Amino acid sequence: GQQLNQSPQSMFIQEGEDVSMNCTSSSIFNTWLWYKQDPGEGPVLLIALYKAGELTSNGRLTAQFGITRKDSFLNISASIPSDVGIYFCAGFYGGATNKLIFGTGTLLAVQP
Amino acid sequence: DSGVTQTPKHLITATGQRVTLRCSPRSGDLSVYWYQQSLDQGLQFLIQYYNGEERAKGNILERFSAQQFPDLHSELNLSSLELGDSALYFCASSVGTSGPNEQFFGPGTRLTVL
Repeated sequence: GQQLNQSPQSMFIQEGEDVSMNCTSSSIFNTWLWYKQDPGEGPVLLIALYKAGELTSNGRLTAQFGITRKDSFLNISASIPSDVGIYFCAGFYGGATNKLIFGTGTLLAVQP
Repeated sequence: DSGVTQTPKHLITATGQRVTLRCSPRSGDLSVYWYQQSLDQGLQFLIQYYNGEERAKGNILERFSAQQFPDLHSELNLSSLELGDSALYFCASSVGTSGPNEQFFGPGTRLTVL
């Protein structure tokens, strides 16, 4: 199935460090969503982006909708152990269905 | 808690069997989506229902089918199960069917086919 390219694939950092990850597509999206998934749980929506160039924050998380509409970025500042999990981007084309295309995921490990 | 519920949490069955997964969307949401998550394929969209009608199909096998009932809960039926069907199955819901509506995911059903 179709997936977005997400990088890095995994990150191992120290508590307190900042984190950056990104998602790229060959297609244009109208909406970008960022989710976090804990092991064995469902993805939890973190941030939704609706306009090219939009920068949105949710606590220590900041995400941006790329100007080309083909990419998006997620930054986590001052990471803490509970940030551990897999982060997924998802893009939405629009139209009559609400079909999301998911990224391949970034595994984040935070060492206290 | 997203407000989306899924049952059962775990399901273990044998090859060739048939199982039914159940999902209740968030209150007020009319759209239900089913996803399959396996280690090698990531999150794959299977099918979407909106207010009882099928709206979109993704990578859903012919052995799989779904429906959405008048009370908006949905069931995903998986038949003639194969070892490769072992995966996490997620249901998500959203308010509508078009526009930038965020999808909220349930806790998933882990299916193991032996």
